[in-house]
Amino acid sequence: GAVVSQHPSRVICKSGTSVKIECRSLDFQATTMFWYRQFPKKSLMLMATSNEGSKATYEQGVEKDKFLINHASLTLSTLTVTSAHPEDSSFYICSASTGPSASPLHFGNGTRLTVT
Amino acid sequence: AQKVTQAQTEISVVEKEDVTLDCVYETRDTTYYLFWYKQPPSGELVFLIRRNSFDEQNEISGRYSWNFQKSTSSFNFTITASQVVDSAVYFCALSEEKSNTGKLIFGQGTTLQVKP
Repeated sequence: GAVVSQHPSRVICKSGTSVKIECRSLDFQATTMFWYRQFPKKSLMLMATSNEGSKATYEQGVEKDKFLINHASLTLSTLTVTSAHPEDSSFYICSASTGPSASPLHFGNGTRLTVT
Repeated sequence: AQKVTQAQTEISVVEKEDVTLDCVYETRDTTYYLFWYKQPPSGELVFLIRRNSFDEQNEISGRYSWNFQKSTSSFNFTITASQVVDSAVYFCALSEEKSNTGKLIFGQGTTLQVKP
């Protein structure tokens, strides 16, 4: 079945540094990728929608300069958390869609970010 | 506006008991899709089922069954003869056809603990 690979699975970084998280679709072309954030014991909140070759669409309240998203190809989207702070510590998970909402979404295994 | 409500925050059962996880949704669309995902402690999201709004047939897959009722806007999930391995957070989600992108709106999640 379709697989989405997310890397790294865990990352610890110091305040002020930037962290890049990769989301790859391994056996299909993902026209759209989504980035979600999940706080402990909370639901998944959509951060942004990433379309290949165009700018990402951010949800209300998400800082686009803080969370840079690049979807350079049909198989790769990256999320860069810039100038990370402890409050950015969270579980980030991506998903990929082949197109219309009829397709089941495939999720990566998530990245647990800890900012010290 | 679209919304998914999982009123049960946590459920604890003893192994072999049956358990039902509730999901109520709101949408103005006539065409939409409903999903259930399982999130074990490791964090990844495991796709369980997708149902479109025109298919109200109940579905059974092994010990899992789903009851979709448009009249009450509910899409409940039942695990029969629960097992310890069923312990996880379960999310119900909604995707609207008109968005045509696969964007998911998640419920708050229900934490299921199955005790031996």
